[in-house]
Amino acid sequence: SQKIEQNSEALNIQEGKTATLTCNYTNYSPAYLQWYRQDPGRGPVFLLLIRENEKEKRKERLKVTFDTTLKQSLFHITASQPADSATYLCALDITGGFKTIFGAGTRLFVKA
Amino acid sequence: IAGITQAPTSQILAAGRRMTLRCTQDMRHNAMYWYRQDLGLGLRLIHYSNTAGTTGKGEVPDGYSVSRANTDDFPLTLASAVPSQTSVYFCASSGGQGAADTQYFGPGTRLTVL
Repeated sequence: SQKIEQNSEALNIQEGKTATLTCNYTNYSPAYLQWYRQDPGRGPVFLLLIRENEKEKRKERLKVTFDTTLKQSLFHITASQPADSATYLCALDITGGFKTIFGAGTRLFVKA
Repeated sequence: IAGITQAPTSQILAAGRRMTLRCTQDMRHNAMYWYRQDLGLGLRLIHYSNTAGTTGKGEVPDGYSVSRANTDDFPLTLASAVPSQTSVYFCASSGGQGAADTQYFGPGTRLTVL
């Protein structure tokens, strides 16, 4: 079955540093991968989408890479701020966009 | 404000009782979804609907039913609640073109079954 792995341990970094979160998957070849942000007590919010034929996608301080050979996506936040503290989820499509599977997420803490 | 609303915000329910979680979107999205989120397990798809009048089963559909009578509403019903259905439930919608599109989530319903 499809499986998505995100680091279950929280990531603690200092303000101003680059945060790097990892998403690994097995047993599937998704056409695209998405990253969402979730704050406590709230629903996930979409951040970035990257397609299988794209190696890298950027949006302001965010950068996502997608290596279909390694079956891995990396999510980077540069010049991190305490306001970036949240849980970040990766998600894969499995049937043309009507079914998406989510990883359990990685909690990020950015210390001032 | 455009988006997705869910009701109730939270609910404590006795086991065996019937419960309907409500979800309404005003973005005219074709596709809608119900997820449950449990600690350490992430979001798991319960049911989905790619357009009004059609529904499909997700990863964990047992004990739940849905209907999609119109574009805007997608209620989730627990016919006879059990404690293992204690969770946070999120409704989401997307444009539903079948190609890459993003999901918009509601604020969630926290359900406790005793």
